[in-house]
Amino acid sequence: GENVEQHPSTLSVQEGDSAVIKCTYSDSASNYFPWYKQELGKRPQLIIDIRSNVGEKKDQRIAVTLNKTAKHFSLHITETQPEDSAVYFCAPAGNQFYFGTGTSLTVIP
Amino acid sequence: KAGVTQTPRYLIKTRGQQVTLSCSPISGHRSVSWYQQTPGQGLQFLFEYFSETQRNKGNFPGRFSGRQFSNSRSEMNVSTLELGDSALYLCASSWGQASSGEQYFGPGTRLTVT
Repeated sequence: GENVEQHPSTLSVQEGDSAVIKCTYSDSASNYFPWYKQELGKRPQLIIDIRSNVGEKKDQRIAVTLNKTAKHFSLHITETQPEDSAVYFCAPAGNQFYFGTGTSLTVIP
Repeated sequence: KAGVTQTPRYLIKTRGQQVTLSCSPISGHRSVSWYQQTPGQGLQFLFEYFSETQRNKGNFPGRFSGRQFSNSRSEMNVSTLELGDSALYLCASSWGQASSGEQYFGPGTRLTVT
């Protein structure tokens, strides 16, 4: 089955700094690469996704980059704000999908 | 469009009992997936139903089962409850098969087993 790893598991940054979370996967059939954000006490919500034919996608302060050869994709958050504090999950998907173990991001004001 | 709904929101059961949780997907969505979320284990995939057929199954014992109805609503059943089954159970719906695009999550059912 798929082996999905997220690093780091916890991340603290100062407000205004950048945060990067990396997700590695093993299933070469994976072709859809989303990131979900889960705030405390709330449900996970998609924040950005990318398909395998694209190397990078940006949406305001959030970007995702994909290296299909190396089987990893990363979430980049620039100019972090306290409301970015949450748990972030990657969920690479092909014939099946798998959620990473999550990264707890804390943005310190 | 109404979002994904789950009932009940909270449930307290005792060991050995069984429980049934319900999930109503967004109108038009044909795929429903179920997850168990605990503080130490993150989001664990239980199973996915698409057009009334179980498409994928996670690594959970047979005490966990599910089904999907013709209107795409789904139920999950856990028999012979154990203390370790205490968790937040989330369902998520998507238009196509869950691996093809965004999943929309429900608010979850908080199950406590005593």
